Amino acid sequence: ETGVTQSPTHLIKTRGQQVTLRCSSQSGHNTVSWYQQALGQGPQFIFQYYREEENGRGNFPPRFSGLQFPNYSSELNVNALELDDSALYLCASSSGQNYNEQFFGPGTRLTVL
Amino acid sequence: KQEVTQIPAALSVPEGENLVLNCSFTDSAIYNLQWFRQDPGKGLTSLLLIQSSQREQTSGRLNASLDKSSGRSTLYIAASQPGDSATYLCAVMSSGGYQKVTFGTGTKLQVIP
Repeated sequence: ETGVTQSPTHLIKTRGQQVTLRCSSQSGHNTVSWYQQALGQGPQFIFQYYREEENGRGNFPPRFSGLQFPNYSSELNVNALELDDSALYLCASSSGQNYNEQFFGPGTRLTVL
Repeated sequence: KQEVTQIPAALSVPEGENLVLNCSFTDSAIYNLQWFRQDPGKGLTSLLLIQSSQREQTSGRLNASLDKSSGRSTLYIAASQPGDSATYLCAVMSSGGYQKVTFGTGTKLQVIP
């Protein structure tokens, strides 16, 4: 069984640029959630996708958007990057829509200069 | 709005000691609570998941308890080892029509050989 994978591992961008982060869910999982973790903080929920539909969103602006594909892999897109977007971005996969154990990937470290 | 607090923020213990990590949450209407371990710069590793109907879960040297009415969970680590050194995060899943998850800021544990 393959775990959750994310790419790239590290990324450096400049303010105003756009970035796409990718996540492959664990085998058999159809739900992917994305989190932003600033240094020294707990992860903050960005949004969740269930069967290719956005299924909930945290307190993040519209320049944070996502997609889920038929194979349940997912992308997180961030437009007009700001310095405060520098963080570890984590995706988590789970089975079903509600209340099941989440399994996290290793994260993508984004640095915005 | 759910708020999750973890005390202490940091803890240093000698190898072999038993220890307790605390997690408090403000809204007792939760579906489950999950404990994670995070090594520096890495993703989250799931340790234990407690459903709201359960009082505790055990895995090896780890035991997690849940008291919904008082808004508290504890993670007990028996016979601590240097390899247990990491940041421990609790995450509370609340109602909201989707997996609305709120993380604490974590307890950074150092086990001294």
